Amino acid sequence: EAQVTQNPRYLITVTGKKLTVTCSQNMNHEYMSWYRQDPGLGLRQIYYSMNVEVTDKGDVPEGYKVSRKEKRNFPLILESPSPNQTSLYFCASRSFTSGSYNEQFFGPGTRLTVL
Amino acid sequence: SQKIEQNSEALNIQEGKTATLTCNYTNYSPAYLQWYRQDPGRGPVFLLLIRENEKEKRKERLKVTFDTTLKQSLFHITASQPADSATYLCALDVKRGFKTIFGAGTRLFVKA
Repeated sequence: EAQVTQNPRYLITVTGKKLTVTCSQNMNHEYMSWYRQDPGLGLRQIYYSMNVEVTDKGDVPEGYKVSRKEKRNFPLILESPSPNQTSLYFCASRSFTSGSYNEQFFGPGTRLTVL
Repeated sequence: SQKIEQNSEALNIQEGKTATLTCNYTNYSPAYLQWYRQDPGRGPVFLLLIRENEKEKRKERLKVTFDTTLKQSLFHITASQPADSATYLCALDVKRGFKTIFGAGTRLFVKA
């Protein structure tokens, strides 16, 4: 089954404790992206990756890091989480064919609480 | 400033009617525009994508229009059903599709 998986699905942590949220896709998509969703603000893009070893900032990159060492994985790293990073996080992937991008496939989400 | 706005936070309609959702944007030149459905606590699910050189796209009971002059997209669900109740998100793809900007969404309630 074609899918995007994220782990963990739920995480409660404390300020300053480094954490990683994993994202994996089995569709051989070139493009992957991370979003956060907050009430009233909608989905906001954190980072995206056009291919292996190629990443760029979205609209809200502060406090986050990413890496793309393999095509299928795109982990999101919070080196020193703060309470304002409490949010619902989504990973997504999409293919690129005939010179344009196609629809995005989203993971199930990771609900993060930073105390 | 750059903005993307979706009409009203919530839309209530009767079963069988056509729901029309609006997405307006300013100061963007999107390559594509997408519509997604999102249920509470779940990830968005893709519905339709329309490119800048297309005026209209249809898929079963769904229709989307894209007017780059008005900077507006309309999303229609015909013969609506209670199962269509969800939040619908409009998304612009800019920078040749590398960046995606989402609207805050419109919650649709379809009453039986």
